[in-house]
Amino acid sequence: GESVGLHLPTLSVQEGDNSIINCAYSNSASDYFIWYKQESGKGPQFIIDIRSNMDKRQGQRVTVLLNKTVKHLSLQIAATQPGDSAVYFCAESPMDTGRRALTFGSGTRLQVQP
Amino acid sequence: GAVVSQHPSRVICKSGTSVKIECRSLDFQATTMFWYRQFPKQSLMLMATSNEGSKATYEQGVEKDKFLINHASLTLSTLTVTSAHPEDSSFYICSARAQGFTQPQHFGDGTRLSIL
Repeated sequence: GESVGLHLPTLSVQEGDNSIINCAYSNSASDYFIWYKQESGKGPQFIIDIRSNMDKRQGQRVTVLLNKTVKHLSLQIAATQPGDSAVYFCAESPMDTGRRALTFGSGTRLQVQP
Repeated sequence: GAVVSQHPSRVICKSGTSVKIECRSLDFQATTMFWYRQFPKQSLMLMATSNEGSKATYEQGVEKDKFLINHASLTLSTLTVTSAHPEDSSFYICSARAQGFTQPQHFGDGTRLSIL
């Protein structure tokens, strides 16, 4: 069935380095994508979103890139900090679902080494 | 930013007990709320979609008589786990979205349910 998945389950980076978290999606009807950060014992926290009519969007220290040709989504975090350590989920929503339910990927754990 | 409050944060109860979890949008009106379930080290799995003033839409495999959802107002949805058993132990998370499909979902901090 349709799914959203991740290439890497765990990513370990040094403090100050840039982090790149990848996500592949298979639903060609997807037109809205979101990245969430989840810390232990908490709910997902919205980071950034992007619609299918864009291929790049920037926020504070974060950039999301969307490649519709290969159905790939990435989250780039600049100057990674210890507070960025968490599990990151991509989520997608297809345009043909009126209720706009999200399908979540399996998650990537980001570990920031001091 | 948008704030979603979920209560209680943790529940421990005996098998056979019914447990109610509340999800409130504090600073916006949520026409749609979603209920997810998350097992340890796994992703979020959508259980049901709750629309204000109408019946919830359940995902395949989710028992509607087991997981009762009520969305009586634009700021409150409740999930009741009826006659809970140990296999119902999980992390339950709600999200809320303001009116309009272009609005992102904002999540509560989840409820850790442990059934003894």
